[in-house]
Amino acid sequence: AQSVTQLDSQVPVFEEAPVELRCNYSSSVSVYLFWYVQYPNQGLQLLLKYLSGSTLVKGINGFEAEFNKSQTSFHLRKPSVHISDTAEYFCAAAVSSGSARQLTFGSGTQLTVLP
Amino acid sequence: DAGVIQSPRHEVTEMGQEVTLRCKPISGHDYLFWYRQTMMRGLELLIYFNNNVPIDDSGMPEDRFSAKMPNASFSTLKIQPSEPRDSAVYFCASRAGRSGNTIYFGEGSWLTVV
Repeated sequence: AQSVTQLDSQVPVFEEAPVELRCNYSSSVSVYLFWYVQYPNQGLQLLLKYLSGSTLVKGINGFEAEFNKSQTSFHLRKPSVHISDTAEYFCAAAVSSGSARQLTFGSGTQLTVLP
Repeated sequence: DAGVIQSPRHEVTEMGQEVTLRCKPISGHDYLFWYRQTMMRGLELLIYFNNNVPIDDSGMPEDRFSAKMPNASFSTLKIQPSEPRDSAVYFCASRAGRSGNTIYFGEGSWLTVV
């Protein structure tokens, strides 16, 4: 079974500053990794995903994440945040066995961008 | 594409009443998921279906919860009787095919049981 840990529950940053949201996973098999964003009063929207290939994945809204197998991490980064990036961010993992395994979500990180 | 459609968006009900949440997945998606989100427990998978058949319902909290998928375009999650601790946001999501494909979420049904 896999598990996903998001190390920070709250991350406040000033507008135009860089941000990193941390995510670690544990799994005995290969995994697919995802970052989802949830804006207030809305559902989850996919930001980016890692399935295979290049370990640096670029997503929407200027976000990117790097898969690090040795550190079992998949941290999300953005070089310069905007007020509109204020939202909750979820890291998730799914085993890559080809079965219909569901996503396992982390507990979420609330990103608050301050003016 | 209209995305995953859930109804109602918001519901307030009294303890003991039956609650029915509805979901229309994206056309052509063969997997449907029901999740619950609370502050205490985060996002939890309740149950998922493949080709309208329930595959894993181990996340359903207790017998008061039931889910059905009578056809490929409709699913319900029912709570009977409802309790205040059922207050949460319930998300429906759907996916086409294998586990690496994107899961698309609805906007959620915000349930408050008083």
